[in-house]
Amino acid sequence: DAGVIQSPRHEVTEMGQEVTLRCKPISGHDYLFWYRQTMMRGLELLIYFNNNVPIDDSGMPEDRFSAKMPNASFSTLKIQPSEPRDSAVYFCASSLQGWTQYFGPGTRLLVL
Amino acid sequence: GENVEQHPSTLSVQEGDSAVIKCTYSDSASNYFPWYKQELGKGPQLIIDIRSNVGEKKDQRIAVTLNKTAKHFSLHITETQPEDSAVYFCAALLLGGAQKLVFGQGTRLTINP
Repeated sequence: DAGVIQSPRHEVTEMGQEVTLRCKPISGHDYLFWYRQTMMRGLELLIYFNNNVPIDDSGMPEDRFSAKMPNASFSTLKIQPSEPRDSAVYFCASSLQGWTQYFGPGTRLLVL
Repeated sequence: GENVEQHPSTLSVQEGDSAVIKCTYSDSASNYFPWYKQELGKGPQLIIDIRSNVGEKKDQRIAVTLNKTAKHFSLHITETQPEDSAVYFCAALLLGGAQKLVFGQGTRLTINP
């Protein structure tokens, strides 16, 4: 079975550029989560959706970050404009009717 | 604030020995506690979880214990093998305010052959 799919796996960009990260959750799952992982702050929940509706975005760092889920099989996390401090690994996870989450392989973002 | 503390941050054991990782949480209403294993360059992988209505759960060489009174839970790995080397994260589902999983800081486990 296909797990959570994320793209791209690696992204290198320059400060000020727009970055879009993509996620395809496990088919049939109704929750989707976006996390950021850094050495300093560990794993942080940014936002999560239930049935494509954003439920809690309190973890989104600032207005430069936005996330959408136009349908049950696709979500994006956008950073505009990007800054060096946004460099991290971004994970998408999905779950079925609860909090047992399955993570994707992550997108390693480097903002120069 | 509400958080999850995890200890130790690094752990090195001889192959075949046991490894124990401990976590404490702050929200007494928490009722779900998963453990994740993260290998280099990969996403966290769920290895075992426990809910607050049980005190212990086992799956082959892995077990998790929960003490709700003391608000701590532990991961036990027996008969460790080289492939157990990874970073392990505990998490607790916080129910106060907005629900979310809060993760510990991680334990880097190294199994020495």
